[in-house]
Amino acid sequence: NAGVMQNPRHLVRRRGQEARLRCSPMKGHSHVYWYRQLPEEGLKFMVYLQKENIIDESGMPKERFSAEFPKEGPSILRIQQVVRGDSAAYFCASSPVPIGELFFGEGSRLTVL
Amino acid sequence: GQQLNQSPQSMFIQEGEDVSMNCTSSSIFNTWLWYKQDPGEGPVLLIALYKAGELTSNGRLTAQFGITRKDSFLNISASIPSDVGIYFCAGSSDSGNTPLVFGKGTRLSVIA
Repeated sequence: NAGVMQNPRHLVRRRGQEARLRCSPMKGHSHVYWYRQLPEEGLKFMVYLQKENIIDESGMPKERFSAEFPKEGPSILRIQQVVRGDSAAYFCASSPVPIGELFFGEGSRLTVL
Repeated sequence: GQQLNQSPQSMFIQEGEDVSMNCTSSSIFNTWLWYKQDPGEGPVLLIALYKAGELTSNGRLTAQFGITRKDSFLNISASIPSDVGIYFCAGSSDSGNTPLVFGKGTRLSVIA
């Protein structure tokens, strides 16, 4: 029973490029959450999605960031025109029911040069 | 927004010692979770608490959901080197769609 799968584990982008981070939830989980972690900080909520729907995006920056969870395929967090401040670890978590226990992937570490 | 205050920020202890850390919030939570994160890895769930006053153990770990529903603590007994890592508390104030809020973590170092 595979856990939450994230890829890529590490991604390097130059300023102005786009970053796409993918997350496949645990089998049977239809709720997906994205969190961002800066060095020496806790996890900050970004967005909560259920299949094909964004439930809560209150933690997403208004510009350049978007997320989707299509009917088929992984959830994708997309960051357009990256800036150095976007450098962080991005974690995806999934759950079988709304909220409750979240199971995290190993994260995608974005470095913007 | 909701905030969780986690303390202490960091701890250095001798192997074999017991450890205690806690988390407080300014608002009432219905769910408290404790996670551990190793360097370069994602957080791993240790203990989940759903009821005020609940005391739950997982091996050498014990966590309690405060009666006021505004705090929780995690104890680790007889620490070992592999306990090293960052421990996060997380809480949710709603059983519906409110996302988990995380504390800033307690960094635990164990000296052999």
